Amino acid sequence: NAGVTQTPKFQVLKTGQSMTLQCAQDMNHNSMYWYRQDPGMGLRLIYYSASEGTTDKGEVPNGYNVSRLNKREFSLRLESAAPSQTSVYFCASSDAGQLLTPPDGRAQHFGDGTRLSIL
Amino acid sequence: AQTVTQSQPEMSVQEAETVTLSCTYDTSESDYYLFWYKQPPSRQMILVIRQEAYKQQNATENRFSVNFQKAAKSFSLKISDSQLGDAAMYFCAYRISGNTPLVFGKGTRLSVIA
Repeated sequence: NAGVTQTPKFQVLKTGQSMTLQCAQDMNHNSMYWYRQDPGMGLRLIYYSASEGTTDKGEVPNGYNVSRLNKREFSLRLESAAPSQTSVYFCASSDAGQLLTPPDGRAQHFGDGTRLSIL
Repeated sequence: AQTVTQSQPEMSVQEAETVTLSCTYDTSESDYYLFWYKQPPSRQMILVIRQEAYKQQNATENRFSVNFQKAAKSFSLKISDSQLGDAAMYFCAYRISGNTPLVFGKGTRLSVIA
């Protein structure tokens, strides 16, 4: 059972280049998330998708776009990479279980991360 | 806005001893969930323990337990009989129910001394 799969694991870009980080989950989860992790900052939310067909901005969305391609896949795109976007990127998914009683706050499952360096 | 604060950037513990990591949070919600995640050098995010705010009983998972004080908005993690494999970054996180993202603290780096 793969869980959450992120590709690539490492990438080096030059300033101004574009790239897409891929994320796929095989747990039939409704919700998917993209976070970035910087030293001393914890994980900060970039974008999330509460369900297929919806996306919302998080705390640090500038410079990024996302696509919820289907229920399994949620991609993050850097249109014009900047050195400030050097970071470790994590994709996560969860099943909200809104129909369950009591309200369900299930934990998120994380991919292994992508280390992105922008020169 | 909800915030999560981990006031200890670094902690250390002797092997086999007990250590407590602190976490406080700020929220106006009454129903929410709290989590501790472990991130070893491999960079994986591993769920350690979770607590539902509507439950008064503190959660436990083997050597890991929490002290949840709802009125004080405090959620500390106690690691008993510390092992070398416990060395990692630990993140406290919060979310309300439903399709909502996690809000993370900045983390505490735990070292275990043999």
